Amino acid sequence: GAVVSQHPSWVICKSGTSVKIECRSLDFQATTMFWYRQFPKQSLMLMATSNEGSKATYEQGVEKDKFLINHASLTLSTLTVTSAHPEDSSFYICSARDPGTGIHNEQFFGPGTRLTVL
Amino acid sequence: DAKTTQPPSMDCAEGRAANLPCNHSTISGNEYVYWYRQIHSQGPQYIIHGLKNNETNEMASLIITEDRKSSTLILPHATLRDTAVYYCIVRVAPGTYKYIFGTGTRLKVLA
Repeated sequence: GAVVSQHPSWVICKSGTSVKIECRSLDFQATTMFWYRQFPKQSLMLMATSNEGSKATYEQGVEKDKFLINHASLTLSTLTVTSAHPEDSSFYICSARDPGTGIHNEQFFGPGTRLTVL
Repeated sequence: DAKTTQPPSMDCAEGRAANLPCNHSTISGNEYVYWYRQIHSQGPQYIIHGLKNNETNEMASLIITEDRKSSTLILPHATLRDTAVYYCIVRVAPGTYKYIFGTGTRLKVLA
């Protein structure tokens, strides 16, 4: 299947700072990527849909000014957690749809980024 | 809200078949059922998907009932490495690519 990478795999930051997480599709071009958040022992929660060349679409309850998403190229989407606080500590996972091989719209997921805010 | 319901947990003996059920009674005619699994602290891994026919690949088999209101993922010979949370997903609505994850089934394979 298609390969999606994330960087960094883990990050620790101080409260009030901003953190950027990158999501890359390595062997395909992804017009659509997705960002999820997962708290311990819980399921994945969809945060937003990232569309190349246009604004992201956020799910209800997700603050777009706090979670900035940029999808400037067909292989890269970034999530910036602005002014991070301890409650933002979570596992952030991206996924991408490969319009070529993913003809039935299956998504391929990155390995996740664990964010810890002190 | 997720369009699927799954039992929260199951145990399976190593080497035996693991049968994981999923209910998706509101699925519409052209929506696929997808199965993923998530091993601890990793991103979800795609397993299989289907529309109405039974499907099989190198990882698993998917049995979909005739009325498409439920399905079963079968791992024919479970190993300890199959211990994971298994998610059954139906897309939010036809024409969208969004997944809404339910709570999944935590499968524990026992030695």
